Amino acid sequence: GAVVSQHPSRVICKSGTSVKIECRSLDFQATTMFWYRQFPKQSLMLMATSNEGSKATYEQGVEKDKFLINHASLTLSTLTVTSAHPEDSSFYICSAPGGDSGHGELFFGEGSRLTVL
Amino acid sequence: DAKTTQPTSMDCAEGRAANLPCNHSTISGNEYVYWYRQIHSQGPQYIIHGLKNNETNEMASLIITEDRKSSTLILPHATLRDTAVYYCIVTSGSGYSTLTFGKGTMLLVSP
Repeated sequence: GAVVSQHPSRVICKSGTSVKIECRSLDFQATTMFWYRQFPKQSLMLMATSNEGSKATYEQGVEKDKFLINHASLTLSTLTVTSAHPEDSSFYICSAPGGDSGHGELFFGEGSRLTVL
Repeated sequence: DAKTTQPTSMDCAEGRAANLPCNHSTISGNEYVYWYRQIHSQGPQYIIHGLKNNETNEMASLIITEDRKSSTLILPHATLRDTAVYYCIVTSGSGYSTLTFGKGTMLLVSP
């Protein structure tokens, strides 16, 4: 199946700094990617939809100026958490629709665990 | 998208079949049933999906009732590596953009 890779898998940063998380589709092109956030013992919550060559679409309650999304190529989307605070500590997961599988499934990255001190 | 109801947790002995139920009584005619699972600290993994016919692939089988108000995911021979949270999702989209994850079922496979 298609592979989606995230980097870094874990990151620890100080409060007030910015952190960038990359999401790459390794063997297929993705004009659309999705960013989710998951707090401990909770389910995944969709944050935003990343669109190649255009602005991202954010879900209600997600601050677009805080969570900057850039989808500069057909294989790369980045999420930047700006001015991070401890409450932003979470598991961030990206996903992309499968290539030509025709199954309609989403392929997810391994996730990036952010800890803000 | 229709709401789904799943048991919070289930246990299964290794080597036995795991049958995970899902209720989606408000499902509409154009909505698909998708199953994903999430192993601890990993991203979710697609398992299977269907509209109204039963489906089978190398991972699992999906049984959808005739009225489509419920479904069952079957892992025929559960292994320890199948321990995960299983999410049943109903969506009318392409299956991409409208995935809303509920709380899922925590399946614990024991030796």
